[in-house]
Amino acid sequence: EAGVVQSPRYKIIEKKQPVAFWCNPISGHNTLYWYRQNLGQGPELLIRYENEEAVDDSQLPKDRFSAERLKGVDSTLKIQPAELGDSAVYLCASSKLPGLAEETQYFGPGTRLLVL
Amino acid sequence: AQSVTQPDIHITVSEGASLELRCNYSYGATPYLFWYVQSPGQGLQLLLKYFSGDTLVQGIKGFEAEFKRSQSSFNLRKPSVHWSDAAEYFCAVGAREYGNKLVFGAGTILRVKS
Repeated sequence: EAGVVQSPRYKIIEKKQPVAFWCNPISGHNTLYWYRQNLGQGPELLIRYENEEAVDDSQLPKDRFSAERLKGVDSTLKIQPAELGDSAVYLCASSKLPGLAEETQYFGPGTRLLVL
Repeated sequence: AQSVTQPDIHITVSEGASLELRCNYSYGATPYLFWYVQSPGQGLQLLLKYFSGDTLVQGIKGFEAEFKRSQSSFNLRKPSVHWSDAAEYFCAVGAREYGNKLVFGAGTILRVKS
């Protein structure tokens, strides 16, 4: 079974430029998460989707971040414009059943973003 | 608000020695507890999880963890560490009252010396 796929793996951009990250979850997984992991920290949830619906985006900085999950499968996270403080690893995860705290979340390898 | 504390930023152990990584949580609800491992350039891999029942949980790669409600702890242990265990370890807490949201600790970096 293929795992969570993310691309690109690395991205270097200048501040004020836009950037987008793509995630394809494990087949059949209805719930998709985007996390941000700052250096020396644990991941922090940005947004959670159940199928196409964003059910928790309370931690997403909506002035510059946006996300979509069309057709309830793959998802894109966008930053526009990027700031220096956005340098981090962006992790995507998926789980099979929605709404269950005990469901295991499976993580992708992440996209490492460096904003210069 | 929920929080997770991993008091040790770095731990170094000798290969073959025992290991214990500490995790303390502050949570208003009945917690679900997880340990994940992250190798350089890799995503997080689940080692084990606790929801209910036996407070000693067995996981993959020979790891185990014990839930102690009275101490609000969920420490990870391994009796004999292998060089391949060198990685960063994250404790995470969730609860039904908060949906699927996981709150992660800051992580503990494990170094294994030969």
